[in-house]
Amino acid sequence: QQPVQSPQAVILREGEDAVINCSSSKALYSVHWYRQKHGEAPVFLMILLKGGEQKGHEKISASFNEKKQQSSLYLTASQLSYSGTYFCGTESIQGAQKLVFGQGTRLTINP
Amino acid sequence: SQTIHQWPATLVQPVGSPLSLECTVEGTSNPNLYWYRQAAGRGLQLLFYSVGIGQISSEVPQNLSASRPQDRQFILSSKKLLLSDSGFYLCAWSPGQKNTEAFFGQGTRLTVV
Repeated sequence: QQPVQSPQAVILREGEDAVINCSSSKALYSVHWYRQKHGEAPVFLMILLKGGEQKGHEKISASFNEKKQQSSLYLTASQLSYSGTYFCGTESIQGAQKLVFGQGTRLTINP
Repeated sequence: SQTIHQWPATLVQPVGSPLSLECTVEGTSNPNLYWYRQAAGRGLQLLFYSVGIGQISSEVPQNLSASRPQDRQFILSSKKLLLSDSGFYLCAWSPGQKNTEAFFGQGTRLTVV
């Protein structure tokens, strides 16, 4: 079953912050985050493997709440290059190595 | 280094015609392989995944099929395309273990007319 992402779309001005949420109905082994530019393949951002784990890459970070089966992606001081569609992917405990993605969150950054 | 090749990049096919999309991975062995479809404005729908030669798991009932004739080759097929098969098809691979990132091919944009 696909994880559920929220919100579906976000429009920001450059420099503002955003949070994208991802929740699953299944117990998770891992949560992946990807960004896709229009017409291109998704690009890997980060993977979270443990409950409570947090990771960061430049001004993009993420957390994983294993008990709540949720993950959040944080984008701070957003840049124009952050625009795109963000997907969370999950591997459940029952279906390890089966990577299922949410429906995506479209992020638009305006100058 | 590992690379993934997916072709063709674009394809226009009439309804009822067959389909064959090919994906190959280089520089690794025994990868997990995936086929996803992305309809316009929608998310990545997992169609098939494979953890080894001849091992195919189908996720969505449809008129598509997948095969893995070699360790690093993954083929998506259809005997008769439907209009609803139009979309952006993405092949991906990950190292043959859980909890590892997936790497995507550049995708095939299929339009069924």
